[in-house]
Amino acid sequence: EAGVTQFPSHSVIEKGQTVTLRCDPISGHDNLYWYRRVMGKEIKFLLHFVKESKQDESGMPNNRFLAERTGGTYSTLKVQPAELEDSGVYFCASSGLTNTEAFFGQGTRLTVV
Amino acid sequence: GENVEQHPSTLSVQEGDSAVIKCTYSDSASNYFPWYKQELGKRPQLIIDIRSNVGEKKDQRIAVTLNKTAKHFSLHITETQPEDSAVYFCAASGYTGNQFYFGTGTSLTVIP
Repeated sequence: EAGVTQFPSHSVIEKGQTVTLRCDPISGHDNLYWYRRVMGKEIKFLLHFVKESKQDESGMPNNRFLAERTGGTYSTLKVQPAELEDSGVYFCASSGLTNTEAFFGQGTRLTVV
Repeated sequence: GENVEQHPSTLSVQEGDSAVIKCTYSDSASNYFPWYKQELGKRPQLIIDIRSNVGEKKDQRIAVTLNKTAKHFSLHITETQPEDSAVYFCAASGYTGNQFYFGTGTSLTVIP
């Protein structure tokens, strides 16, 4: 079974540019989460999809961040325009039924310079 | 919302000793508590989890205890080995929203 896959693994962009991160969850997983870890701090929740619907987007920091999950399969997270404080590792995770194991992707390390 | 606190932030132990990491949570509705291990450059992976209807769970050298009344849960690693060195995250999840709230992580170093 393929795991959660994220692209790219690393991205270095200049302040003001746009970056789009992609997550391919485990096939059949309805729940898809985006998390971010900044500078060795906690893994902080950004948002949660159930299929193609946003179940909870309370963790999105501001309107520069836009997440989509068209068709309920893969998801994208766009940051536009990127700011320095957006640097960090962005993790995607997926899970099947409620309150079961969340499988993580390898993360995308975003550096905004 | 839920607030998960994790201590200590760093922990060094001699090989063969035990390591204990503690987490507290604030939302009494949380009922699922997984622990993740993240090795350097790799993705977080589940190592053990516990649900609120159980007080303790063990898997070989790893055990987790849960005190619902006090709202805290702990990870215990016995007979530590160098390959146990990693960052460990606790998390809490409940019925509402089904998202996972993570602790700040504990960097464990096992000294050979």
